[in-house]
Amino acid sequence: EPEVTQTPSHQVTQMGQEVILRCVPISNHLYFYWYRQILGQKVEFLVSFYNNEISEKSEIFDDQFSVERPDGSNFTLKIRSTKLEDSAMYFCASSQGGAGYYGYTFGSGTRLTVV
Amino acid sequence: KNEVEQSPQNLTAQEGEFITINCSYSVGISALHWLQQHPGGGIVSLFMLSSGKKKHGRLIATINIQEKHSSLHITASHPRDSAVYICAVEETSGSRLTFGEGTQLTVNP
Repeated sequence: EPEVTQTPSHQVTQMGQEVILRCVPISNHLYFYWYRQILGQKVEFLVSFYNNEISEKSEIFDDQFSVERPDGSNFTLKIRSTKLEDSAMYFCASSQGGAGYYGYTFGSGTRLTVV
Repeated sequence: KNEVEQSPQNLTAQEGEFITINCSYSVGISALHWLQQHPGGGIVSLFMLSSGKKKHGRLIATINIQEKHSSLHITASHPRDSAVYICAVEETSGSRLTFGEGTQLTVNP
Protein backbone atom coordinates (compact mmCIF):
# COMPACT_ATOMS: atom_id res chain seq x y z
CA GLU A 1 0.00 0.00 0.00
CA PRO A 2 1.57 3.33 -1.04
CA GLU A 3 2.32 5.70 1.83
CA VAL A 4 2.84 9.38 2.47
CA THR A 5 6.09 9.71 4.40
CA GLN A 6 6.78 12.57 6.80
CA THR A 7 10.06 13.48 8.47
CA PRO A 8 10.98 14.11 11.18
CA SER A 9 8.37 12.46 13.39
CA HIS A 10 9.23 14.83 16.24
CA GLN A 11 10.94 18.20 16.21
CA VAL A 12 11.74 20.50 19.09
CA THR A 13 12.82 24.02 18.22
CA GLN A 14 13.53 27.31 19.94
CA MET A 15 11.05 30.15 19.47
CA GLY A 16 12.13 32.34 16.58
CA GLN A 17 13.96 29.56 14.74
CA GLU A 18 13.07 28.38 11.25
CA VAL A 19 11.83 24.82 10.75
CA ILE A 20 11.26 22.76 7.63
CA LEU A 21 8.86 19.85 7.73
CA ARG A 22 9.27 17.33 4.96
CA CYS A 23 6.82 15.09 3.16
CA VAL A 24 7.10 12.60 0.33
CA PRO A 25 3.62 12.24 -1.21
CA ILE A 26 2.47 9.22 -3.20
CA SER A 27 4.22 9.34 -6.55
CA ASN A 28 1.23 9.55 -8.92
CA HIS A 29 -0.73 11.99 -6.75
CA LEU A 30 -1.24 15.51 -8.01
CA TYR A 31 -2.73 17.41 -5.05
CA PHE A 32 -0.81 18.02 -1.85
CA TYR A 33 -1.94 19.43 1.46
CA TRP A 34 -0.72 20.50 4.87
CA TYR A 35 -3.00 20.33 7.90
CA ARG A 36 -2.24 20.94 11.56
CA GLN A 37 -3.75 19.80 14.84
CA ILE A 38 -3.06 21.69 18.03
CA LEU A 39 -3.20 19.36 21.04
CA GLY A 40 -6.79 18.71 22.07
CA GLN A 41 -8.25 20.55 19.08
CA LYS A 42 -9.60 19.57 15.69
CA VAL A 43 -7.54 19.26 12.55
CA GLU A 44 -7.27 22.52 10.57
CA PHE A 45 -6.48 23.12 6.91
CA LEU A 46 -3.34 25.14 6.14
CA VAL A 47 -2.67 24.98 2.41
CA SER A 48 -3.25 23.02 -0.78
CA PHE A 49 -0.78 22.78 -3.66
CA TYR A 50 -1.37 21.76 -7.27
CA ASN A 51 0.61 22.15 -10.47
CA ASN A 52 3.54 23.70 -8.61
CA GLU A 53 1.57 26.47 -6.98
CA ILE A 54 -0.64 27.15 -4.00
CA SER A 55 -4.26 26.51 -4.97
CA GLU A 56 -5.85 27.47 -1.65
CA LYS A 57 -4.70 28.64 1.76
CA SER A 58 -6.36 29.33 5.09
CA GLU A 59 -6.20 32.39 7.32
CA ILE A 60 -3.65 30.53 9.45
CA PHE A 61 -1.22 30.31 6.52
CA ASP A 62 0.29 33.77 6.88
CA ASP A 63 3.61 35.17 5.68
CA GLN A 64 5.64 33.09 8.12
CA PHE A 65 4.58 29.91 6.28
CA SER A 66 5.69 28.75 2.87
CA VAL A 67 5.48 25.54 0.86
CA GLU A 68 7.68 24.16 -1.84
CA ARG A 69 8.03 21.12 -4.06
CA PRO A 70 11.73 21.48 -4.75
CA ASP A 71 12.54 18.30 -6.66
CA GLY A 72 9.35 16.63 -7.88
CA SER A 73 9.15 14.21 -4.96
CA ASN A 74 9.46 16.17 -1.72
CA PHE A 75 6.83 18.61 -0.48
CA THR A 76 7.99 20.89 2.32
CA LEU A 77 6.39 23.26 4.81
CA LYS A 78 8.65 26.00 6.13
CA ILE A 79 7.84 28.07 9.19
CA ARG A 80 10.15 31.08 9.13
CA SER A 81 10.14 32.30 12.72
CA THR A 82 8.39 29.86 15.00
CA LYS A 83 6.08 30.97 17.81
CA LEU A 84 4.92 29.01 20.85
CA GLU A 85 1.46 28.73 19.28
CA ASP A 86 2.92 26.89 16.28
CA SER A 87 3.34 23.84 18.51
CA ALA A 88 1.10 21.20 16.93
CA MET A 89 1.00 17.99 14.93
CA TYR A 90 1.46 18.78 11.24
CA PHE A 91 0.00 16.36 8.71
CA CYS A 92 0.85 16.13 5.06
CA ALA A 93 -1.72 14.56 2.73
CA SER A 94 -1.94 13.81 -0.95
CA SER A 95 -4.68 12.95 -3.41
CA GLN A 96 -4.79 11.73 -6.99
CA GLY A 97 -7.36 14.36 -7.87
CA GLY A 98 -9.54 16.99 -6.30
CA ALA A 99 -13.13 17.70 -5.44
CA GLY A 100 -14.71 14.52 -4.24
CA TYR A 101 -13.52 11.98 -6.77
CA TYR A 102 -10.47 10.60 -5.00
CA GLY A 103 -9.64 9.87 -1.40
CA TYR A 104 -6.89 11.34 0.68
CA THR A 105 -3.82 9.60 2.05
CA PHE A 106 -2.36 11.16 5.19
CA GLY A 107 1.16 10.92 6.50
CA SER A 108 1.78 9.90 10.11
CA GLY A 109 2.51 13.49 11.11
CA THR A 110 5.34 15.60 12.53
CA ARG A 111 4.92 16.68 16.12
CA LEU A 112 6.43 20.17 16.40
CA THR A 113 7.20 21.56 19.84
CA VAL A 114 8.31 25.20 20.09
CA VAL A 115 10.02 26.09 23.39
CA LYS B 1 -21.62 27.45 14.67
CA ASN B 2 -19.22 24.77 13.45
CA GLU B 3 -19.61 23.74 9.84
CA VAL B 4 -19.20 20.08 10.85
CA GLU B 5 -20.81 18.77 14.03
CA GLN B 6 -20.26 15.28 15.40
CA SER B 7 -22.08 13.41 18.11
CA PRO B 8 -21.45 12.02 20.56
CA GLN B 9 -18.12 13.57 21.62
CA ASN B 10 -17.30 10.50 23.71
CA LEU B 11 -18.67 6.99 23.48
CA THR B 12 -17.93 3.99 25.66
CA ALA B 13 -19.20 0.58 24.60
CA GLN B 14 -18.87 -3.06 25.55
CA GLU B 15 -17.24 -5.45 23.14
CA GLY B 16 -19.79 -6.74 20.64
CA GLU B 17 -22.07 -3.71 20.75
CA PHE B 18 -23.33 -1.90 17.64
CA ILE B 19 -21.90 1.62 17.48
CA THR B 20 -23.25 4.68 15.68
CA ILE B 21 -21.45 8.00 15.30
CA ASN B 22 -23.28 10.89 13.67
CA CYS B 23 -22.11 13.85 11.60
CA SER B 24 -24.08 16.89 10.45
CA TYR B 25 -22.77 19.62 8.22
CA SER B 26 -24.02 22.99 7.08
CA VAL B 27 -22.18 23.63 3.79
CA GLY B 28 -22.49 22.30 0.25
CA ILE B 29 -20.15 19.38 -0.22
CA SER B 30 -18.67 17.28 -2.98
CA ALA B 31 -17.76 14.46 -0.58
CA LEU B 32 -17.71 13.46 3.08
CA HIS B 33 -14.82 11.56 4.63
CA TRP B 34 -14.70 9.34 7.69
CA LEU B 35 -11.25 9.09 9.24
CA GLN B 36 -9.73 7.24 12.16
CA GLN B 37 -7.06 8.67 14.45
CA HIS B 38 -5.17 6.43 16.84
CA PRO B 39 -3.47 7.57 20.06
CA GLY B 40 -0.12 7.95 18.27
CA GLY B 41 -1.78 10.63 16.17
CA GLY B 42 -1.74 9.15 12.67
CA ILE B 43 -4.86 9.60 10.51
CA VAL B 44 -6.24 6.79 8.39
CA SER B 45 -8.92 7.29 5.77
CA LEU B 46 -11.88 4.91 6.23
CA PHE B 47 -14.47 6.09 3.69
CA MET B 48 -15.16 8.77 1.17
CA LEU B 49 -18.86 9.21 0.34
CA SER B 50 -20.80 11.41 -1.99
CA SER B 51 -24.07 9.46 -1.84
CA GLY B 52 -25.68 6.32 -0.45
CA LYS B 53 -23.82 3.78 1.61
CA LYS B 54 -20.44 2.07 1.74
CA LYS B 55 -19.34 -1.02 3.68
CA HIS B 56 -15.88 -2.26 4.55
CA GLY B 57 -15.71 -5.23 6.88
CA ARG B 58 -17.54 -4.30 10.09
CA LEU B 59 -17.72 -0.61 9.18
CA ILE B 60 -20.66 0.94 7.36
CA ALA B 61 -20.98 4.60 6.36
CA THR B 62 -24.14 6.26 5.08
CA ILE B 63 -24.91 9.75 3.87
CA ASN B 64 -28.14 11.67 3.28
CA ILE B 65 -27.27 14.65 1.09
CA GLN B 66 -30.70 16.28 1.41
CA GLU B 67 -30.55 16.19 5.22
CA LYS B 68 -26.79 16.98 5.32
CA HIS B 69 -26.17 14.08 7.63
CA SER B 70 -23.90 11.05 7.71
CA SER B 71 -23.49 8.13 10.07
CA LEU B 72 -20.66 5.71 10.73
CA HIS B 73 -21.67 2.34 12.14
CA ILE B 74 -19.44 -0.31 13.64
CA THR B 75 -20.95 -3.77 14.00
CA ALA B 76 -19.68 -6.26 16.60
CA SER B 77 -17.33 -3.68 18.12
CA HIS B 78 -13.94 -4.78 19.41
CA PRO B 79 -11.39 -3.14 21.76
CA ARG B 80 -9.08 -2.59 18.78
CA ASP B 81 -11.77 -0.24 17.35
CA SER B 82 -10.94 2.19 20.18
CA ALA B 83 -9.81 5.41 18.51
CA VAL B 84 -11.00 8.88 17.58
CA TYR B 85 -13.37 8.85 14.59
CA ILE B 86 -13.46 12.06 12.60
CA CYS B 87 -15.93 13.33 10.03
CA ALA B 88 -14.55 15.77 7.45
CA VAL B 89 -16.24 17.40 4.48
CA GLU B 90 -14.84 18.44 1.14
CA GLU B 91 -16.69 21.60 0.15
CA THR B 92 -17.92 22.16 -3.40
CA SER B 93 -15.80 25.32 -3.55
CA GLY B 94 -12.49 23.43 -3.35
CA SER B 95 -10.74 20.26 -2.25
CA ARG B 96 -9.79 21.30 1.28
CA LEU B 97 -11.22 19.24 4.14
CA THR B 98 -13.12 20.84 7.01
CA PHE B 99 -12.96 18.61 10.07
CA GLY B 100 -15.34 17.84 12.89
CA GLU B 101 -14.14 17.69 16.48
CA GLY B 102 -14.01 13.90 16.48
CA THR B 103 -15.66 11.19 18.56
CA GLN B 104 -13.52 9.37 21.10
CA LEU B 105 -14.63 5.72 21.07
CA THR B 106 -13.58 3.33 23.81
CA VAL B 107 -14.59 -0.32 23.51
CA ASN B 108 -14.14 -2.32 26.69
CA PRO B 109 -13.57 -6.09 26.66
